[in-house]
Amino acid sequence: DSGVTQTPKHLITATGQRVTLRCSPRSGDLSVYWYQQSLDQGLQFLIQYYNGEERAKGNILERFSAQQFPDLHSELNLSSLELGDSALYFCASSVGVYSYEQYFGPGTRLTVT
Amino acid sequence: AQSVTQPDIHITVSEGASLELRCNYSYGATPYLFWYVQSPGQGLQLLLKYFSGDTLVQGIKGFEAEFKRSQSSFNLRKPSVHWSDAAEYFCAVVRLGGAQKLVFGQGTRLTINP
Repeated sequence: DSGVTQTPKHLITATGQRVTLRCSPRSGDLSVYWYQQSLDQGLQFLIQYYNGEERAKGNILERFSAQQFPDLHSELNLSSLELGDSALYFCASSVGVYSYEQYFGPGTRLTVT
Repeated sequence: AQSVTQPDIHITVSEGASLELRCNYSYGATPYLFWYVQSPGQGLQLLLKYFSGDTLVQGIKGFEAEFKRSQSSFNLRKPSVHWSDAAEYFCAVVRLGGAQKLVFGQGTRLTINP
């Protein structure tokens, strides 16, 4: 158990809908990262937040957004969902903004039908 | 941009046999290197990491990896595999001083024959 929690574990929704994925980092960690794992793209970095502020952006679509709240939990919002958004979404956390060890949550499996 | 290549998509070994999973990276300077393991239905667990110093690093579950700068490689090894080692293994790199995003290889799926 990494100490990173993600909810829900599974999510099934229809195209065009909007969903929110939630992540709670390990106690004491200030950085949160989101990754997408799909069969065709593999594991891709989406976005990083540190202590409430966006720090780095990767291959994140404009239909996706994230935020980190004062209690350090983070949410990833996915809107106007398409079939291709079906994937496993991981959250990871680390102590600082330049910490290189990231600890991953169990992931949220999103299925868009 | 840095990249990571894991040449073997799928490897099958017998229980008790030795294992080596290959990882090559492309980067202009020494990156920080990691191996993660993903068991079915699970998240990613950090096996080991290389930042600097001794090029042979020990990790959890009896795994080790060797950094070879001349070959741009960071291969993962285990002298004797157990059935519980069946999983997907990912090599990853992060750029020193830059955005702390992990860049992953495509993964190697390990199957263990009894």
